[in-house]
Amino acid sequence: EVQLVESGGGLVRPGGSLRLSCAASGFTFRDSAMTWVRQAPGEGLEWVSSLSGSGASTLYADSVKGRFTISRDNSKNTLYLQMNSLRAEDTAIYYCAKSGGDTSWYGRWFDPWGQGTLVTVSS
Amino acid sequence: DIQMTQSPSSLSASVGDRVTITCRASQSISNHLNWYQQKAGRAPKLLIYLAATLQSGVPSRFSGSGSGTGFSLTISSLQREDFATYYCQQTYSGPLTFGGGTKVEIK
Repeated sequence: EVQLVESGGGLVRPGGSLRLSCAASGFTFRDSAMTWVRQAPGEGLEWVSSLSGSGASTLYADSVKGRFTISRDNSKNTLYLQMNSLRAEDTAIYYCAKSGGDTSWYGRWFDPWGQGTLVTVSS
Repeated sequence: DIQMTQSPSSLSASVGDRVTITCRASQSISNHLNWYQQKAGRAPKLLIYLAATLQSGVPSRFSGSGSGTGFSLTISSLQREDFATYYCQQTYSGPLTFGGGTKVEIK
């Protein structure tokens, strides 16, 4: 069974940094692109970033480009999201998801999703 | 960037009703359109990918159709467990945008 478990969320002050982790199991991690999606309180879903299985290709939303860095350690089956220069508007639940479909490097759909980790940016 | 517009943003329906949610893309996305269901306090769940392919384990009362810029998700006979928020998403090109969501509530 595919499992994704996020961790690393918490309360951080504006301008601060946080690193999220997503531990994966139940599939060949290095063969799968992975994605982060976030959801602000009471709001809809916002795609944040995707990363190829090798780690060579990345894609970022404009709202996080230059501040967030997606990475992975295939030896540890773990995906990361380094978040710097955090702003109040980054407050959200952050989900990691496994990308599916092989007609693009970032996948064509997201399944499954982890349970999410809450990031709160506030002074 | 490709904008995804869902309608309606919310609807009230009864158990047994046929429900249709539409999603429009600001430019052609071929069939690179997915539908997700999210229940309160839970992670989203993939229902349909590539516009019309039912994800394994999803009940057959869910169906998707469309291509190009217009898409729809239909629930043929609404069940109590289907009350949730539904999102469309395009994966034709980055950024991989979601629609604003449609909340399906009990009438």
